[in-house]
Amino acid sequence: EAGVTQSPTHLIKTRGQQATLRCSPISGHTSVYWYQQALGLGLQFLLWYDEGEERNRGNFPPRFSGRQFPNYSSELNVNALELEDSALYLCASSRDGTGRGETQYFGPGTRLLVL
Amino acid sequence: AQSVAQPEDQVNVAEGNPLTVKCTYSVSGNPYLFWYVQYPNRGLQFLLKYITGDNLVKGSYGFEAEFNKSQTSFHLKKPSALVSDSALYFCAVLGNTGKLIFGQGTTLQVKP
Repeated sequence: EAGVTQSPTHLIKTRGQQATLRCSPISGHTSVYWYQQALGLGLQFLLWYDEGEERNRGNFPPRFSGRQFPNYSSELNVNALELEDSALYLCASSRDGTGRGETQYFGPGTRLLVL
Repeated sequence: AQSVAQPEDQVNVAEGNPLTVKCTYSVSGNPYLFWYVQYPNRGLQFLLKYITGDNLVKGSYGFEAEFNKSQTSFHLKKPSALVSDSALYFCAVLGNTGKLIFGQGTTLQVKP
């Protein structure tokens, strides 16, 4: 069974540009989560999508947005990039978002560097 | 508020010795607790979780964790460490509305 996949693996942008990161969940999983792992800040929750709807978002500005497609894949968009957006962006998926302790399985991440 | 703490930034252990990576949590209600491992330049790999039931949870690669409600702890253990276990370990609690709340991470260094 294929795991969570993310693309691209690396992304280099300049300040003010937009970045688009993509994630494909494990087959059969309907929930997709995005996390940011920035140096010195640890792992922080960004967004949660389930069945095409945004269910929850973390404490990030509105220029961080995303969507989930009918095939349950997801896209994270970051507008007006700032230097501090440089981080590893991790996508995870789970069978559903019922809150019954479903395991979130993570992809390899996209490393975003903003110059 | 729900939170997780990993009190040690780094744990050093000799190969073949038992290892423990500590985690304490603060939640209201029954906790859903997880351990993940991250190798350099990689994503997180799921090791094990506690939902309910036996306090001793067995997971991947010979790891286990003990849930202790009175001490609000969920320490990760392995009877005999391998050099290949050297990595960054994260404890997490599943918070309200889907998000995992992570500890700061503990670097495990296993020396031959």
